[in-house]
Amino acid sequence: GAGVSQSPSNKVTEKGKDVELRCDPISGHTALYWYRQSLGQGLEFLIYFQGNSAPDKSGLPSDRFSAERTGGSVSTLTIQRTQQEDSAVYLCASSLRQGGLGYGYTFGSGTRLTVV
Amino acid sequence: GNSVTQMEGPVTLSEEAFLTINCTYTATGYPSLFWYVQYPGEGLQLLLKATKADDKGSNKGFEATYRKETTSFHLEKGSVQVSDSAVYFCALNFNKFYFGSGTKLNVKP
Repeated sequence: GAGVSQSPSNKVTEKGKDVELRCDPISGHTALYWYRQSLGQGLEFLIYFQGNSAPDKSGLPSDRFSAERTGGSVSTLTIQRTQQEDSAVYLCASSLRQGGLGYGYTFGSGTRLTVV
Repeated sequence: GNSVTQMEGPVTLSEEAFLTINCTYTATGYPSLFWYVQYPGEGLQLLLKATKADDKGSNKGFEATYRKETTSFHLEKGSVQVSDSAVYFCALNFNKFYFGSGTKLNVKP
């Protein structure tokens, strides 16, 4: 597609429930990233995928968080047993490739998750 | 390690004022540098970038020069508009993206 698409745009869930957030990157972009932006805060790196390489999961805050990327395209971020501190905007970005060659990210508009 | 530090906000200016948002970085190599902008209720958008020392990125009247000697990439605009009100993020890309904490800009008419 023309841009990075994320769904849903808003999600309200009860504490303890599982949620799945979806990201559809720009076609042909091999690198995909998930970030979290809490209210009034900066961007917290969660995970990235680059082609068929093992993902960098170093930013995942706990084992309740997981992500997968099927067929090198669509990615799903799953949060199990949600907690109120998980409330944030979850941003997905894609890039032609990862590396210090000047490739910028294109961000999706995010999923606003509210845990009540 | 790699990191980005940018000035804390919010920054409040009157329309047509001069804007500077400071950004400095530390990196283990030679990164590319970026400014992203997030308008209210929207996602992040790439504003400008510079890929090597002394490069100047520019877009929509904004400029930033990659200064290796001072490890800086300050964002400037000569005359801000109300529509520039947003959060601005400085970032570096060296094998992975590292973002600053963001600076909120409020421009009053």
